[in-house]
Amino acid sequence: DAGVIQSPRHEVTEMGQEVTLRCKPISGHNSLFWYRQTMMRGLELLIYFNNNVPIDDSGMPEDRFSAKMPNASFSTLKIQPSEPRDSAVYFCASSPLQTMNTEAFFGQGTRLTVV
Amino acid sequence: AQSVTQLDSHVSVSEGTPVLLRCNYSSSYSPSLFWYVQHPNKGLQLLLKYTSAATLVKGINGFEAEFKKSETSFHLTKPSAHMSDAAEYFCVVNSNSGYALNFGKGTSLLVTP
Repeated sequence: DAGVIQSPRHEVTEMGQEVTLRCKPISGHNSLFWYRQTMMRGLELLIYFNNNVPIDDSGMPEDRFSAKMPNASFSTLKIQPSEPRDSAVYFCASSPLQTMNTEAFFGQGTRLTVV
Repeated sequence: AQSVTQLDSHVSVSEGTPVLLRCNYSSSYSPSLFWYVQHPNKGLQLLLKYTSAATLVKGINGFEAEFKKSETSFHLTKPSAHMSDAAEYFCVVNSNSGYALNFGKGTSLLVTP
């Protein structure tokens, strides 16, 4: 199994531009998460999908952020327009079961730099 | 709310000596607890998890953790540190919702020769 695949690994963009991060979860996993990691705030959950449906997007910072999961094997996180404070590492994770004991499997992350 | 506190932001040990990374949790009910490791510029990898089956949990790479309800702790240990153990370690608890994970701030482990 290739694990959770994220692309791109690194993204540098100018303030005001649209940024799209992509994620392919592990086949058969029905839960997908987007996390953001910054020095100041650590790892924060942005949004959670179950069976391709957004269940909890309370962690999405503001309307500039949007996430979609059109099918079981693909998800995107879009920032439009991007701002320097969005610079962070964004992780996608997937999980096979929706139970209290189930761990999440993380991708390598996308390091976003907004200049 | 479910949360964890990692008591040390940085820990430095010599190669071959024991490792102790401390974590305390706050939970209104029996939690599920995890330790993840993040090597530089890498994703997060699960080391071990506690799911109430046994209080002493063994993980990968020789790490283990003991769940102590009376102390609300879930400290991570390893008898002998290796240079490759240098990384960021996160103590994690399942959230109130059950599906998401709440991460601690992380402990950076430095291993010196």
